[in-house]
Formats: sequence, structure tokens, C-alpha cells
Amino acid sequence: GENVEQHPSTLSVQEGDSAVIKCTYSDSASNYFPWYKQELGKRPQLIIDIRSNVGEKKDQRIAVTLNKTAKHFSLHITETQPEDSAVYFCAVDSGYSTLTFGKGTMLLVSP
Amino acid sequence: DSGVTQTPKHLITATGQRVTLRCSPRSGDLSVYWYQQSLDQGLQFLIQYYNGEERAKGNILERFSAQQFPDLHSELNLSSLELGDSALYFCASSNTLGDEQYFGPGTRLTVT
Repeated sequence: GENVEQHPSTLSVQEGDSAVIKCTYSDSASNYFPWYKQELGKRPQLIIDIRSNVGEKKDQRIAVTLNKTAKHFSLHITETQPEDSAVYFCAVDSGYSTLTFGKGTMLLVSP
Repeated sequence: DSGVTQTPKHLITATGQRVTLRCSPRSGDLSVYWYQQSLDQGLQFLIQYYNGEERAKGNILERFSAQQFPDLHSELNLSSLELGDSALYFCASSNTLGDEQYFGPGTRLTVT
């Protein structure tokens, strides 16, 4: 089955800095890569996604890049704010629209 | 608010018991997914239904079962509960296969 590795497991930045979270996957046939943000005790919330026919997608301060050849994709958050503090999960569509999730990255943005 | 609803929010029960978790997808969504989130296993896919039919199975134990009803709501049944079944159970829905999945607020199950 699909194997998704996510790094780092924790990330601490100062407000205004950029944050980058990286994921690698194993199945070259995977074609959908969403990112979810989960605040403590709350539901995972879809923040951005990318499909294999594009290399980069941006939405205001967040962007995702995809390298299908190397089988990795990354989440970039610019101008971080304290409210960006949360756990971020990458996921990969393993077929039939089922998602395999990474282990998560706890992002802490200090004022 | 994603539009996906789940009941109950919290459930405390004893080992050996059986519980039913309920999920209503967003209006118009045909596909429902169940996930289990625990500290040691992370977010794991359990099972998927599309328009009433089972479409895919993940790491779902034989003690667990699910179904999707004609009105598209879904239920996850957990039986012979063990301490290790304590977790957050999320339901997600999507309009069709391959679409974005939106998660419900989850049910926190505590087995004592």
C-alpha cells in the first residue's frame, strides 16, 4: 500500500517567518495530494490541494508544490501568524479516493 | 463548519460493549469515509461508501462494520470494544469519487 512520510514532526517559527513541511510518497500512480490543518480537539480542515497535472498551487499565504518524478510535495506558509499554529497533515489519494495520511507536523508560531 | 455532522460528540463505554456512531454527509455528497485518529496510529482510513455501496476498505477490524443508508447517512458500528479502540472517529464526505473530502467534527470514544 501507499506509504507517506512527513517531515518535520515539529516546527517552531517566529511570527512573520516562512514554514515549509515536506512529504514523500511511494506509489507513483497517486494523483491527488491534499493538506489538512487540525487545531486541538477539532476536525481536520482542508486548506489546499494539488493534482498531479500541476506543479504548484497558491492560495494567499499558502502554497503547495509537487514533484512527481521525485515523489514528494511540500506545503509552504509565508508570513506566519500565531493563528497558523496547529497540526498539519499531508495526504495522498491511494486509489478509490481513499486518503493515506502522513503522521503530522505540529507548527508553533511564536509572537 | 464543513456541513458534515456526526453524533454523538463524546461516548464513554465499557470494554466488551457495542456502540454506533452516526454521520450525515454534506448536502449533495454521495461518498462517505470513516477514519480513526489515535495518538499512536495517526489518522487511518477505515472504510468508504459511495451511494450506498461499499467502495473500499482500509485498516478496519472485523469487530467494526459500517453501512450507508438510502438517505446517504452512514453508521459505524463498533463491537466487543477494547481499551485500544479509544480514539477520535471522523467521518468525511465528498461529492463524488476523487473530489475533496470534508471532515465532520468527530466522535471521541473512550473505552474504560
